[in-house]
Amino acid sequence: EDQVTQSPEALRLQEGESSSLNCSYTVSGLRGLFWYRQDPGKGPEFLFTLYSAGEEKEKERLKATLTKKESFLHITAPKPEDSATYLCALNTGFQKLVFGTGTRLLVSP
Amino acid sequence: SAVISQKPSRDICQRGTSLTIQCQVDSQVTMMFWYRQQPGQSLTLIATANQGSEATYESGFVIDKFPISRPNLTFSTLTVSNMSPEDSSIYLCSVEEVGYEQYFGPGTRLTVT
Repeated sequence: EDQVTQSPEALRLQEGESSSLNCSYTVSGLRGLFWYRQDPGKGPEFLFTLYSAGEEKEKERLKATLTKKESFLHITAPKPEDSATYLCALNTGFQKLVFGTGTRLLVSP
Repeated sequence: SAVISQKPSRDICQRGTSLTIQCQVDSQVTMMFWYRQQPGQSLTLIATANQGSEATYESGFVIDKFPISRPNLTFSTLTVSNMSPEDSSIYLCSVEEVGYEQYFGPGTRLTVT
């Protein structure tokens, strides 16, 4: 069965304190791994798509990487406005996304 | 990416009633999806809606409870029928674009009392 596991469940950082979020997965046929940001009461905001092991994508303070078993979302020198829940999702075919439970990130000034 | 709107943004409904949620996209899309996000949980796919065909439901979701319409390539509705407090959730529609990327609407927050 296709599965996505995110860790940690919650992460508290000081402003400027870099860290990484993990997304581990098992899938029979990966057609893309997606990272989303979700603010309270809003829909998920698309961040990145990764398709193959070794691929990396960057956007401002965020960098996503992919191996055959996991993906990392690296946050460099975070700011309070980076506080949100970060969701990882797999496309396993059939146009279906399987979501992880997310990591709640809080960045304190 | 497509701009997606949903109506209503939130509603409080009584047990046993039904609510229809609308999803409007600013461009024509083939695939539209409906998700549920229960309090404190992640997203779960309810069904996939293609224009001109019946919606495809995921395990645990049935058409009688969650009827879906897809009358054209820019619009879809999801009805939550005979509601109970367990239906209190955020309901989200999404569309698929190139590279299997899905983009989400702002969501409808439903509270059933």
